[in-house]
Amino acid sequence: SQQGEEDPQALSIQEGENATMNCSYKTSINNLQWYRQNSGRGLVHLILIRSNEREKHSGRLRVTLDTSKKSSSLLITASRAADTASYFCATDMEYGNKLVFGAGTILRVKS
Amino acid sequence: GAVVSQHPSRVICKSGTSVKIECRSLDFQATTMFWYRQFPKKSLMLMATSNEGSKATYEQGVEKDKFLINHASLTLSTLTVTSAHPEDSSFYICSGLPITSGPDTQYFGPGTRLTVL
Repeated sequence: SQQGEEDPQALSIQEGENATMNCSYKTSINNLQWYRQNSGRGLVHLILIRSNEREKHSGRLRVTLDTSKKSSSLLITASRAADTASYFCATDMEYGNKLVFGAGTILRVKS
Repeated sequence: GAVVSQHPSRVICKSGTSVKIECRSLDFQATTMFWYRQFPKKSLMLMATSNEGSKATYEQGVEKDKFLINHASLTLSTLTVTSAHPEDSSFYICSGLPITSGPDTQYFGPGTRLTVL
C-alpha cells in the first residue's frame, strides 16, 4: 500500500515564487527521496535525505525531514516555468530496497 | 548518471494479445530491477521485484500469471502482459539497482505507454 501522502495535490504559482510540497509517511524509513516527473515521462531523481539527516540542499532545492512527525518537505526556490512537473516523494522500508511512492504534487509554474 | 532504457516507448495492442516490454540498463549491471505501474495523474505502484537468475517477487494483488517477468541477464528484464485487456492500459516504468552502488540508488527508465483496445 502507498504509505507516502503528499500535499497539496496540485499547486499553481507564478514564476519566481517559491513552491513548497509536503510528504507524510507511516512507517520507519532508511531514507526519503524526491523525484520529478514531466508529463508522460520517466522519473528524475532530485535529492535523497537519510533518516539521520534533518535538512539537505541541492541548488534551488531544500528538503527537510522530521522523523518524529514522519514528514518531509520539498522547497523549490525562485521557481521557473521549467519546474512545471509532478513531484513525488518515495520512502524505502528499513528492510529491502523497495520504494513506496507518495501520491504526488502537480506543480504548475506560470510565466 | 546511469541510464535505463525501455522498449517500446509506446504500444497499442488488441484485447487478448500479449505484449512484451523490455527494460535495459545500458551502462551498469543490475541484479535487481523493479517494475512499476502508473495510472493517469496517479502515483507509481510497485508491481514486482525482478531478480537476475531467479523468480520475480510480486506485490500483493498483482497477478504473476498475468504479468510475466523474466530477468535473464544483469542488464535486461522483460515484462510480458499476457492476454491484455483494456484495464491493463497504463504507463509501465522500470528501474534498475546497480550492483556496485548502495541499496537506495534506483535508476528509472523513461516508461512504456500501453494502450489495449
